[in-house]
Amino acid sequence: GAVVSQHPSWVICKSGTSVKIECRSLDFQATTMFWYRQFPKQSLMLMATSNEGSKATYEQGVEKDKFLINHASLTLSTLTVTSAHPEDSSFYICSASPRTGRRTEAFFGQGTRLTVV
Amino acid sequence: AQSVSQHNHHVILSEAASLELGCNYSYGGTVNLFWYVQYPGQHLQLLLKYFSGDPLVKGIKGFEAEFIKSKFSFNLRKPSVQWSDTAEYFCAVNAGGGADGLTFGKGTHLIIQP
Repeated sequence: GAVVSQHPSWVICKSGTSVKIECRSLDFQATTMFWYRQFPKQSLMLMATSNEGSKATYEQGVEKDKFLINHASLTLSTLTVTSAHPEDSSFYICSASPRTGRRTEAFFGQGTRLTVV
Repeated sequence: AQSVSQHNHHVILSEAASLELGCNYSYGGTVNLFWYVQYPGQHLQLLLKYFSGDPLVKGIKGFEAEFIKSKFSFNLRKPSVQWSDTAEYFCAVNAGGGADGLTFGKGTHLIIQP
């Protein structure tokens, strides 16, 4: 099956610094990628839709200036958590679907555990 | 807006027992339905999906789900569970075109006792 890779798998950063998370589709092209956030013992919440070559679409309540998304190519999307604070600590997961022109399932990265201290 | 409700947050079963996990969704239009599984320390994996056609969908590892449109349900079943089925199970939905992100249920933590 298709593979989506996230890097890093985990990161610890100091409060006030920025952290970049990468999401790559390894063996397919993805016009659209999605970023989710998962709090402990809770479900995944869609944060934003990353569109190659255009601005990301953010879900209601997600600060676009805090969570910067760049989708520079058909295989790479990045999420930058700017001026991170402890409340940003969470599990961030990306997904992508192959660009086949028909409906298909989303493939998920392994997630990135962010801890802000 | 879509919403997904999973009725059981924690389920504990013995090996060989039958499993049914409930999932109901709220959305007025055509939907795509999914069940994902997350084994401890691993990423989400697709168990099965429904786009259209036969409402009884068979997935990997002996799982199946039935889409009942009138009940807005997509319950997951397995006739005989194994210890290795211990995992977190998520029901998810997106709108019919399939281009949107997924709306997930809260998940069901399944523990299978040997």
